[in-house]
Amino acid sequence: GEDVEQSLFLSVREGDSSVINCTYTDSSSTYLYWYKQEPGAGLQLLTYIFSNMDMKQDQRLTVLLNKKDKHLSLRIADTQTGDSAIYFCAVTFSGGYNKLIFGAGTRLAVHP
Amino acid sequence: GAGVSQTPSNKVTEKGKYVELRCDPISGHTALYWYRQSLGQGPEFLIYFQGTGAADDSGLPNDRFFAVRPEGSVSTLKIQRTERGDSAVYLCASSSGTGVEEAFFGQGTRLTVV
Repeated sequence: GEDVEQSLFLSVREGDSSVINCTYTDSSSTYLYWYKQEPGAGLQLLTYIFSNMDMKQDQRLTVLLNKKDKHLSLRIADTQTGDSAIYFCAVTFSGGYNKLIFGAGTRLAVHP
Repeated sequence: GAGVSQTPSNKVTEKGKYVELRCDPISGHTALYWYRQSLGQGPEFLIYFQGTGAADDSGLPNDRFFAVRPEGSVSTLKIQRTERGDSAVYLCASSSGTGVEEAFFGQGTRLTVV
């Protein structure tokens, strides 16, 4: 079955860029997402990319997709303490609905 | 409502008991999803409803788990003979159509089986 893997922890200094990486196994994945989860809060969709795109930029967020290597990354520019959270990579299939397969999440810690 | 509402927010039950978890989706959303998030893990898909029918229940772990959505809005996830391994946060999400539109998640119900 589909598998999505992420590194578990990332620590960055405030003002630096953060890069969170994700790999997935199913090449038929059509939509790839990044979600943010803060303590005690629900999942918040940050951004998503279609599988026919290589890059998407949205303010401080840049998503890069390498379909050949099945690698997805999220770059956060000028990381702030408010960005501290768990970030989940998720992919869907060609079934046309939001059956999301999530990674285990990357905990981002931002320190002064 | 303004967002996806899940009740209760916390539920503690004894092993072997029956529990019901409720999800009230965003008004007008026809698609509804249940996920389960165990400690330190990402959410895991359980079931997808399109309207009143379960279009994909392939994620339900066993026959102790059942979900309904009789009128195409509120959904109830039912767990019989609960086990300690069922302890997790149960998340509900809804979206507006049949495609891959953004799914909005509720805050979840934290279920603890003691």
